[in-house]
Amino acid sequence: DGGITQSPKYLFRKEGQNVTLSCEQNLNHDAMYWYRQDPGQGLRLIYYSQIVNDFQKGDIAEGYSVSREKKESFPLTVTSAQKNPTAFYLCASTNFKTGGTQPQHFGDGTRLSIL
Amino acid sequence: AQSVTQLGSHVSVSEGALVLLRCNYSSSVPPYLFWYVQYPNQGLQLLLKYTSAATLVKGINGFEAEFKKSETSFHLTKPSAHMSDAAEYFCAVSVTTDSWGKLQFGAGTQVVVTP
Repeated sequence: DGGITQSPKYLFRKEGQNVTLSCEQNLNHDAMYWYRQDPGQGLRLIYYSQIVNDFQKGDIAEGYSVSREKKESFPLTVTSAQKNPTAFYLCASTNFKTGGTQPQHFGDGTRLSIL
Repeated sequence: AQSVTQLGSHVSVSEGALVLLRCNYSSSVPPYLFWYVQYPNQGLQLLLKYTSAATLVKGINGFEAEFKKSETSFHLTKPSAHMSDAAEYFCAVSVTTDSWGKLQFGAGTQVVVTP
């Protein structure tokens, strides 16, 4: 079955450490997105990508970085510059070419905590 | 710019009672609207979408929503709540003013179902 796989499900970060969250999709979608979810705040967009080797900052990109070397993969790195990284991180994808009428499909998320 | 407001961060309903979750949108262009459901520690699952066809949209699990342009609303309903409906629900609007397929999410409504 097609879908989005996020790993790991739980991740712990030490002070000053960078960590990378994996997101892989086999839906053949062009666009991919990373969101951060905090209680009571809904989903906030971190980064998004429309095509390979191109990505754009979302609303809360500071302290995060991404790459898009393959269509199916969009890893997110939480750097040591992100001072409050504890959150639930969600990866999504969509076929953007249909002009916004298609929904985004989501992975099951990675919960990141500080040690 | 498009935006979404969900009225009520928590809703408690009795099993068998009507579920009504409120969503109002702001958009300068005809919107595309979505309702998602999230179970604990999982990603978001699409319930239904409105893309300018019928104003009454039927989704999965017995949910439906009605698009009312005059009220700028897209409220979600289910005639009879089940215990399995306990989850968080998000309303989202497609940002159609660009071509990135982005969504703007509401803050979410947590639904509790009591026996």
